[in-house]
Amino acid sequence: EAQVTQNPRYLITVTGKKLTVTCSQNMNHEYMSWYRQDPGLGLRQIYYSMNVEVTDKGDVPEGYKVSRKEKRNFPLILESPSPNQTSLYFCASSGRENTEAFFGQGTRLTVV
Amino acid sequence: AQSVAQPEDQVNVAEGNPLTVKCTYSVSGNPYLFWYVQYPNRGLQFLLKYITGDNLVKGSYGFEAEFNKSQTSFHLKKPSALVSDSALYFCAVRGYNAGNNRKLIWGLGTSLAVNP
Repeated sequence: EAQVTQNPRYLITVTGKKLTVTCSQNMNHEYMSWYRQDPGLGLRQIYYSMNVEVTDKGDVPEGYKVSRKEKRNFPLILESPSPNQTSLYFCASSGRENTEAFFGQGTRLTVV
Repeated sequence: AQSVAQPEDQVNVAEGNPLTVKCTYSVSGNPYLFWYVQYPNRGLQFLLKYITGDNLVKGSYGFEAEFNKSQTSFHLKKPSALVSDSALYFCAVRGYNAGNNRKLIWGLGTSLAVNP
C-alpha cells in the first residue's frame, strides 16, 4: 500500500529538548516536504526536498532542520524547540509535477 | 502573487442536499488544481485534481469539481451530501516557483457541516 508514515503521532516535550519527527514514503517519490498546520493560518511549508541530498527552505523554516540522506526518508529536526512550534505537522511526498501529493497522518507536537 | 482563496470558513448543508465549497486561485501559467479533505485527527486525503482536459473532474466519494478558467475558480461539488462528508476541505494549486516546482499553495480551508 502506498503510504507516507510519520512518527510519532503525538509528542509532548519541553523547551530546548532536541527532537526528531521521522517521515518515510514507499512510493519512490523524488519530492518530499514538511508542513505545519495552525488554526487560521492553513498549511505552511517548512522545508522541501527535490531529491536525495537536495533540500531547501519553505515559507517558515526558522527553528527547523531537515535531511535527505535516502530517497524514502525525510526527518524533521527541532534542535531547540520552543512553545511557538506547538503545532500539527505533516509530511508529504509527490512524484511527477502533475500528480497529487500523499500526506502522512500528522504529528501533533506540544512544546511546554 | 500566487494565492488560493476559500471565501467561506464554514458551509452548512442538510443531508441529501447538494453542496458547493468554493475556491478561487491566482497563479501564473496553466494551473494544476487539487482538492483535499481532512477528517478529525487524520492526515489530508486527496479528492480530485484538474491538470488539463475536461473542465468537470470527478473524484473520490462522489465529489466533483468544475474548473472555470475565466473566473479562475475550482469549486468542489457533490449532488447529495452525506453526514459523513463533514470535514475540513482544502483547495490547493501548484505554484510556479523557480527551484520548487512541486510546491502547493493552499487555501485556508472550509469546514463543511452536513446536518442530518
